[in-house]
Amino acid sequence: QVQLQESGPGLVKPSETLSLTCTVSGGSISNYYWSWIRQPPGKGLEWIGYIYYSGSTSYNPSLKSRVTISVDTSKNQFSLKLSSVTAADTAVYYCARLSGVAVAGSWGQGTLVTVSS
Amino acid sequence: QSALTQPPSASGSSGQSVTISCTGTSSDVAGYNYVSWYQQHPGKAPKLMIYEVSKRPSGVPDRFSGSKSGNTASLTVSGLQAEDEADYYCSSYAGNDNYWVFGGGTKLTVL
Repeated sequence: QVQLQESGPGLVKPSETLSLTCTVSGGSISNYYWSWIRQPPGKGLEWIGYIYYSGSTSYNPSLKSRVTISVDTSKNQFSLKLSSVTAADTAVYYCARLSGVAVAGSWGQGTLVTVSS
Repeated sequence: QSALTQPPSASGSSGQSVTISCTGTSSDVAGYNYVSWYQQHPGKAPKLMIYEVSKRPSGVPDRFSGSKSGNTASLTVSGLQAEDEADYYCSSYAGNDNYWVFGGGTKLTVL
């Protein structure tokens, strides 16, 4: 059974870049779409973007100018970079494997990223 | 403000049924049969309960069912159990540009 694990700094300063990595174990990153989703404290879910193992991407239009998602198939990892962060970017960030169109069948446990000076 | 509209709360007694609605537009819920539902317990990651409007992943009890009429999708939980108490989120494919939108979530309480 595939497992996903997010990693990265839990605290980022305003205006800096948030960087997270999702490590996939128990299965290959190949032939799947992989996504980042976030959840501000006490609020709902927001799709950030996805990447296919080959490298093609799609981003939420509201975040597109600040988001980059990349994949490293040799390490079975994919990553998120979100630039020019503000307090509004404080959230639990989840990585997930898409099992169909706009559906995530497997999720990481999530990691809280706080934007604060 | 979430793209899809859900009631903030819902409740039902143990053993009863409850239905949670999810209202969208012609650009998402009404336009595609790609509505999904997720269950989230406090401090945990979301869990897929329903996909493609009414399909259940392996391991999800058949007490959970989904449907759609026009721009409103629904999740029905029958035979409510204490462990069903959680937040539930709907989501929908929204076309190539927006791709994936979510509802604001519904807190289900089992009385």
